[in-house]
Amino acid sequence: GAGVSQSPSNKVTEKGKDVELRCDPISGHTALYWYRQSLGQGLEFLIYFQGNSAPDKSGLPSDRFSAERTGGSVSTLTIQRTQQEDSAVYLCASSLIPGPAIKNYGYTFGSGTRLTVV
Amino acid sequence: DQQVKQNSPSLSVQEGRISILNCDYTNSMFDYFLWYKKYPAEGPTFLISISSIKDKNEDGRFTVFLNKSAKHLSLHIVPSQPGDSAVYFCAARRASGTYKYIFGTGTRLKVLA
Repeated sequence: GAGVSQSPSNKVTEKGKDVELRCDPISGHTALYWYRQSLGQGLEFLIYFQGNSAPDKSGLPSDRFSAERTGGSVSTLTIQRTQQEDSAVYLCASSLIPGPAIKNYGYTFGSGTRLTVV
Repeated sequence: DQQVKQNSPSLSVQEGRISILNCDYTNSMFDYFLWYKKYPAEGPTFLISISSIKDKNEDGRFTVFLNKSAKHLSLHIVPSQPGDSAVYFCAARRASGTYKYIFGTGTRLKVLA
């Protein structure tokens, strides 16, 4: 697609429920990143995909969080047994390749999914 | 450990004047730096970048300065316009590994007409 598409744009869920957030990156972009922004905080790195594999999962806050990417394209971030502290805007970004050649423009971000856990 | 810091959460500037947004970092291995702009309900959009081999990069009204010895970078917007009102994030990455960017907490700029 023309840009990074995320769905849903807003999600309200009850504490303890599982949620799935979807990211559809720019066609042909091999690198995909998930970040989240909690209220008053910066963008917190969660996980990075190169193709379908995730060489860096260091930002996932707990084992309730998982992500997968299939076909080198769409990625799904799953949060199990959601807690109120999971409330945040979850941002997905993609880039053509992750390395030095992508210097100038970094990532292209989607508009995010605003998750509210009540 | 906050490796990229934006110590001013907000800044107000009169239209036509200069806006200066600051960013400090702690990791001397960072080699590339970006500034992103974010409007409400939108994803961040790329604004300007600078490599660690340079100390200045200019693009229209936007100039980024890098002081490696001080581990400090700044974004200058001249002249500031009301449409520049947004949250500005600086981001930095290492020259190796996964090339992920570490973001600061952002500075909310308000340009007053």
